[in-house]
Amino acid sequence: KAGVTQTPRYLIKTRGQQVTLSCSPISGHRSVSWYQQTPGQGLQFLFEYFSETQRNKGNFPGRFSGRQFSNSRSEMNVSTLELGDSALYLCASSLGVNTEAFFGQGTRLTVV
Amino acid sequence: SQQGEEDPQALSIQEGENATMNCSYKTSINNLQWYRQNSGRGLVHLILIRSNEREKHSGRLRVTLDTSKKSSSLLITASRAADTASYFCAGNNNNDMRFGAGTRLTVKP
Repeated sequence: KAGVTQTPRYLIKTRGQQVTLSCSPISGHRSVSWYQQTPGQGLQFLFEYFSETQRNKGNFPGRFSGRQFSNSRSEMNVSTLELGDSALYLCASSLGVNTEAFFGQGTRLTVV
Repeated sequence: SQQGEEDPQALSIQEGENATMNCSYKTSINNLQWYRQNSGRGLVHLILIRSNEREKHSGRLRVTLDTSKKSSSLLITASRAADTASYFCAGNNNNDMRFGAGTRLTVKP
């Protein structure tokens, strides 16, 4: 079974631009969560989607948004990029609620 | 915000020794999950312990959970150089998972 796939792996963007990251969950998994990892703040929860509905949300500004498609694939969008948005963005998928969450390799975003 | 804290922040041991890491969490949870991360790559799932369980084993891993103290520990027995990584715990409440700051484990050959 294929694992969680995140694309692209690396991305360089300029301040003020927007970016879209993609996550394909493990086949059959209905929940997708997104996290931001930085050296200063550690792993921060962004949001979680289950069956195309956002069920949980962390404390991030509205510039961070996401969506989930009917095939459970998810995208995360960050608008008006700031230097502080440079981070490793991780996606995790799980079969249902309160089950094991498996992570992808992440997308390394650098904002210059 | 992060869920809690791992203790210690860094741990250095010799190959063959045991490594114990602790984590605390702040809110109620349905389960707690431990992960390993190598050099800024993705997180590898190690073990899940449910809130009604007190101890769980998987190979060289032993996890305990004390919900009254909101704390958990991860024991790695007979450590190997390949165990060198950062270890994180995450408290899970209906798929809202909050991570601690992690413990950086170095196992010297």
